[in-house]
Amino acid sequence: KNEVEQSPQNLTAQEGEFITINCSYSVGISALHWLQQHPGGGIVSLFMLSSGKKKHGRLIATINIQEKHSSLHITASHPRDSAVYICAVRSTAGTYKYIFGTGTRLKVLA
Amino acid sequence: EAQVTQNPRYLITVTGKKLTVTCSQNMNHEYMSWYRQDPGLGLRQIYYSMNVEVTDKGDVPEGYKVSRKEKRNFPLILESPSPNQTSLYFCASSLDRYSSSTDTQYFGPGTRLTVL
Repeated sequence: KNEVEQSPQNLTAQEGEFITINCSYSVGISALHWLQQHPGGGIVSLFMLSSGKKKHGRLIATINIQEKHSSLHITASHPRDSAVYICAVRSTAGTYKYIFGTGTRLKVLA
Repeated sequence: EAQVTQNPRYLITVTGKKLTVTCSQNMNHEYMSWYRQDPGLGLRQIYYSMNVEVTDKGDVPEGYKVSRKEKRNFPLILESPSPNQTSLYFCASSLDRYSSSTDTQYFGPGTRLTVL
């Protein structure tokens, strides 16, 4: 079993839909990141969370430390949101290691 | 402009021919890291560095070497590349390992390596 699991693996939505991507992890963490990777390959950091909730434009990220779960929400989705969304956790195991989920491929149709 | 640069962006080489992928950041970041990305496996950490002369292994360090002689540079060295090292490689940096509020990682554009 992977230490960081994302669901769904693939998601197709119509423009305007509310989207949720989930991330569950089984290790102790000091922080959780949400990353976005566009078809060209470049990776951009969207959020870093250690507790609670953050919002940036139409994107909202939440984390529940007790349940070891995080969600990334996209409101009023748009075709330009089409990308791979990756969850990454920074381990607390005495190191500064990062562990990544395998990503959620999102396609938003016009 | 704040950025992480990698060179080369694309490289095709042959088994056993030593190569170096360079990574440089202009943000005075302490933390730098190398990742490889493979279909179905996602991103995996190869090595990371918390400051000059301080490096440590990630999850998949076998076959790779790194050095951190200057704060801005963190080259990835493949002494004897093999076909299973064919992958997309990313370098990343972040400001300060102690400050979780400024822990955003900035990624380089990636290096696509093919080992024949």
